[in-house]
Amino acid sequence: AQSVTQLDSHVSVSEGTPVLLRCNYSSSYSPSLFWYVQHPNKGLQLLLKYTSAATLVKGINGFEAEFKKSETSFHLTKPSAHMSDAAEYFCVVREDNYGQNFVFGPGTRLSVLP
Amino acid sequence: GAGVSQSPSNKVTEKGKDVELRCDPISGHTALYWYRQSLGQGLEFLIYFQGNSAPDKSGLPSDRFSAERTGGSVSTLTIQRTQQEDSAVYLCASRRTSGGTGELFFGEGSRLTVL
Repeated sequence: AQSVTQLDSHVSVSEGTPVLLRCNYSSSYSPSLFWYVQHPNKGLQLLLKYTSAATLVKGINGFEAEFKKSETSFHLTKPSAHMSDAAEYFCVVREDNYGQNFVFGPGTRLSVLP
Repeated sequence: GAGVSQSPSNKVTEKGKDVELRCDPISGHTALYWYRQSLGQGLEFLIYFQGNSAPDKSGLPSDRFSAERTGGSVSTLTIQRTQQEDSAVYLCASRRTSGGTGELFFGEGSRLTVL
């Protein structure tokens, strides 16, 4: 069975400093992995996705994530935080490219301090 | 093209009333999902539709919850005899199942408040 762990429920960084949001997963098969962002009172927006191509994935707004199979991790990073990055971030796993089941992590709330 | 559209965006109802929430997916997306997001919580899967197949209802929390999808497009989630614990944001998502990488596209949600 698939599962997703987001190790931090809340991360706080200063504007201009790096962001690291951690995600670990378990999956019996080759997973597809996604990061979504949710701003207050909005739906979820796709940041980036890994689907068995390059292990370093670049997404929108300067975010990137690296798929590490040996560590079963898919951590999200950004070199320099912006105030507009403050939001909730969800790591999501889908077991294979044909799977219907998306398993969501509990989310990490990112605060960006001026 | 247009994204996933949900209505109403906000609904306030009294305990015991029935409510209907509507989702209009992206054109051509054959898969449609409903999720519930309670205050400060993650996403809880409710139901999944794929084409003409029988829906996966495994996430519906009680028999007060039901959903249908007419003509493989618009979906309606119905909650009967609403309870205060039903207060949440109900999110709809759709995706392609042939071609592409199959990610979910979300609507902005319907916020339900049960008084």
